Amino acid sequence: DAGVTQSPTHLIKTRGQQVTLRCSPKSGHDTVSWYQQALGQGPQFIFQYYEEEERQRGNFPDRFSGHQFPNYSSELNVNALLLGDSALYLCASSLWDRGYTDTQYFGPGTRLTVL
Amino acid sequence: KQEVTQIPAALSVPEGENLVLNCSFTDSAIYNLQWFRQDPGKGLTSLLLIQSSQREQTSGRLNASLDKSSGRSTLYIAASQPGDSATYLCAVDSWGKLQFGAGTQVVVTP
Repeated sequence: DAGVTQSPTHLIKTRGQQVTLRCSPKSGHDTVSWYQQALGQGPQFIFQYYEEEERQRGNFPDRFSGHQFPNYSSELNVNALLLGDSALYLCASSLWDRGYTDTQYFGPGTRLTVL
Repeated sequence: KQEVTQIPAALSVPEGENLVLNCSFTDSAIYNLQWFRQDPGKGLTSLLLIQSSQREQTSGRLNASLDKSSGRSTLYIAASQPGDSATYLCAVDSWGKLQFGAGTQVVVTP
């Protein structure tokens, strides 16, 4: 049973560019959440997708957007990259239950470096 | 606004000693609390999950307690080993949105 997978593993971009990160949830899961983890800090919640809609959003600007596909996989897009966007981006999948999501399982992350 | 704090930020112990890691949170309206392990540059591995109605959870050498009324959780790791060296993060689940502490970096020396 494949767990949560993310691609690519590492990515290097320059300021002003755009980036797309991808996530495939654990088999049987229907909800995907994205987190940003800066060096030395805990992960920060970006947003969560269920039924192809954004259900919750953290305190991140509109430059951060996402999408969920019918097969439950998800993309995170970041426009107009800033140096401060350099971080480990983590995807977590879970099962929607009774109006909110159950235990979240994390992928290995994508390390984004903005030069 | 929920705030999660982990103390200490770093900890170094000799092999065989018990580890005690602390997590505190400001809003007791949580769905559950999870403890994670993170190795350098890697993703998160879930260690224990405590539902809001529970007081503790155990898995092997790991035991986690939860006191919602005081906003505290403690992770105990018995008889530490060098392989336990990692960063340990706690996260409170506020209805599907995980809020993390900054973590405790643990080094177990042989």
